[in-house]
Amino acid sequence: AQRVTQPEKLLSVFKGAPVELKCNYSYSGSPELFWYVQYSRQRLQLLLRHISRESIKGFTADLNKGETSFHLKKPFAQEEDSAMYYCALRDDMRFGAGTRLTVKP
Amino acid sequence: NAGVTQTPKFQVLKTGQSMTLQCAQDMNHEYMSWYRQDPGMGLRLIHYSVGAGITDQGEVPNGYNVSRSTTEDFPLRLLSAAPSQTSVYFCASSYYPSGGAELFFGEGSRLTVL
Repeated sequence: AQRVTQPEKLLSVFKGAPVELKCNYSYSGSPELFWYVQYSRQRLQLLLRHISRESIKGFTADLNKGETSFHLKKPFAQEEDSAMYYCALRDDMRFGAGTRLTVKP
Repeated sequence: NAGVTQTPKFQVLKTGQSMTLQCAQDMNHEYMSWYRQDPGMGLRLIHYSVGAGITDQGEVPNGYNVSRSTTEDFPLRLLSAAPSQTSVYFCASSYYPSGGAELFFGEGSRLTVL
């Protein structure tokens, strides 16, 4: 069965520190994975997708099929990164429980 | 383009009442879906549609009905509201449900059932 697990509900780091938001998945086929972000008083929006292998706002995420993970990383967190982050998996766009990231000054 | 528009933004219902959450998109997207967002549970898929006349159930469909008579609209109906349906509801649309297509979300509708 499809499943997306984000083990941390809350994550707090200081500005300039590295940040890693964890995402593990369970899927029998070849997964398509996404990270979505919801900033305060804004709509949920796509941050990045694994097939693009891109870096958005300094964030990257690598698909590790051996560990069934798709962790989101940024080397130097900024206060404006504070938001709710969701990992999502095809086929029916199943989302994880989300991680609320707070970046302290 | 307005994108994905949801109405109403806020609604309070009494147990047993019915209501419809409206969702419209102007991007000619074939795929539309409804999620509910609950603390600690993330976003859970209620129903989705891959085109006009086609709907299917998601993870948590019980208590909700949908229909898709046009490409633009995908209303979500609560026939007999229960307190467990208190949540924030999001409508989303996409060009197609696979191939890395991005989901575009509405602003959300906050529903309270007393």
